[in-house]
Amino acid sequence: DIQMTQSPSSLSASVGDRVTITCRASQGISNYLAWYQQKPGKVPKLLIYAASTLQSGVPSRFSGSGSGTDFTLTISSLQPEDVATYYCQKYNSAPLFGGGTKVEIK
Amino acid sequence: QVQLVQSGAEVKKPGSSVKVSCKASGGTFSSYAISWVRQAPGQGLEWMGGIIPIFGTANYAQKFQGRVTITADESTSTAYMELSSLRSEDTAVYYCARGRLRFLVEGNYFDYWGQGTLVTVSS
Repeated sequence: DIQMTQSPSSLSASVGDRVTITCRASQGISNYLAWYQQKPGKVPKLLIYAASTLQSGVPSRFSGSGSGTDFTLTISSLQPEDVATYYCQKYNSAPLFGGGTKVEIK
Repeated sequence: QVQLVQSGAEVKKPGSSVKVSCKASGGTFSSYAISWVRQAPGQGLEWMGGIIPIFGTANYAQKFQGRVTITADESTSTAYMELSSLRSEDTAVYYCARGRLRFLVEGNYFDYWGQGTLVTVSS
């Protein structure tokens, strides 16, 4: 079975910092990867699909890259409203989420 | 604008079953999969299975095979998830979510989510 591993599990950064979250698949999944943002107490929100395509309405400071087994989500300039847990999800077959990365403000 | 509205919180005894509903509005219901994703307290997201209403057959995650039943009623644009033989580890928020790609359950990601339904399993 494919495993999805996110790192780090949590991070703390200052407003304006560049933040990078990594998602690794144990087998190649081409670009069948989505990223979600879940703010505390809220519903998950789709940010990126097809590894790098920004969902409509998502701020351009969010970007995604990668293909095969290694993927990244980058926030180019962290804002206070970006405090959330971020999940990757593969969808080449049965959907599977990564364990999540909790982002906090330093 | 697509909206998914779920039924309210439930408290269940171990060994019993729970059935959660998800009513869709504002978009095409029949050709987009509705999946169920759960989140235990303080934990991550876990896909349980999904259904394309126009086809009526569901796909389930291996972990939940035999214990979960997902159905859909096209006439009311409502999907249902029934989980049986409940145990304390099933305490979680259960979300319905619409697949972005038409006619696909498994090869899909999710663009609209319900508000979540808390199911508490306790004796």
